[in-house]
Amino acid sequence: QVQLVESGGGVVQPGGSLRLSCAASGFTFSSDGMHWVRQAPGKGLEWVAFISYDGSSEYFTESVKGRFTISRDNSKNTLYLQMNSLRADDTAVYYCAKSNGSGWNFDYWGQGSLVTVSS
Amino acid sequence: DIVLTQSPATLSLSPGERATLSCRASQSVSRYLAWYQQKPGQAPGLLIFDASNRATGIPARFSGSGSGTDFTLTISSLEPEDFAIYYCQQRSNWPPTFGGGTKVEIK
Repeated sequence: QVQLVESGGGVVQPGGSLRLSCAASGFTFSSDGMHWVRQAPGKGLEWVAFISYDGSSEYFTESVKGRFTISRDNSKNTLYLQMNSLRADDTAVYYCAKSNGSGWNFDYWGQGSLVTVSS
Repeated sequence: DIVLTQSPATLSLSPGERATLSCRASQSVSRYLAWYQQKPGQAPGLLIFDASNRATGIPARFSGSGSGTDFTLTISSLEPEDFAIYYCQQRSNWPPTFGGGTKVEIK
């Protein structure tokens, strides 16, 4: 069965950096695009970033452009989100999610990793 | 960005009742609308994609309809495990956006 397991969350000061990882199993990781979606405490869902199956295409929501990078290692079945220049409004649970056939729906999700940006 | 407005914000119903949730888009999204269910402390899960297609393993009591700007998620007879928050999401225009959610609570 499909499993996505995030790690790397924690507490970081404003302006700091953090890298999230998402270990994938149960499907052919190298064949599917992957996303990061976040949810601020008590709030709704916000799409953050996408990377194509081979890493050749990347997209970001406007608020994280220039601060976040997305990458993947298909040999390790792992997705990453490098977050720099973190701000208080980046505080959220970050989910990795697998693309469905269309690429822009999310058919499997990890359990989430909490990132708290606070001094 | 396309804005998705969900109504009502909260729906109070009893098990066995029918639930009707609405999602309205600020411009046409054709049929490129999905629905997700999120239970407390859990990640969301895909229910419906492209307006009316049930995702793998989703029971038949969940159905989606609509096109253009107006969409509906219907749960024909609420089971105890269906009390949760439901989000709609469009993939018609980049970036993909979500609605604010409808909470279905036990009356």
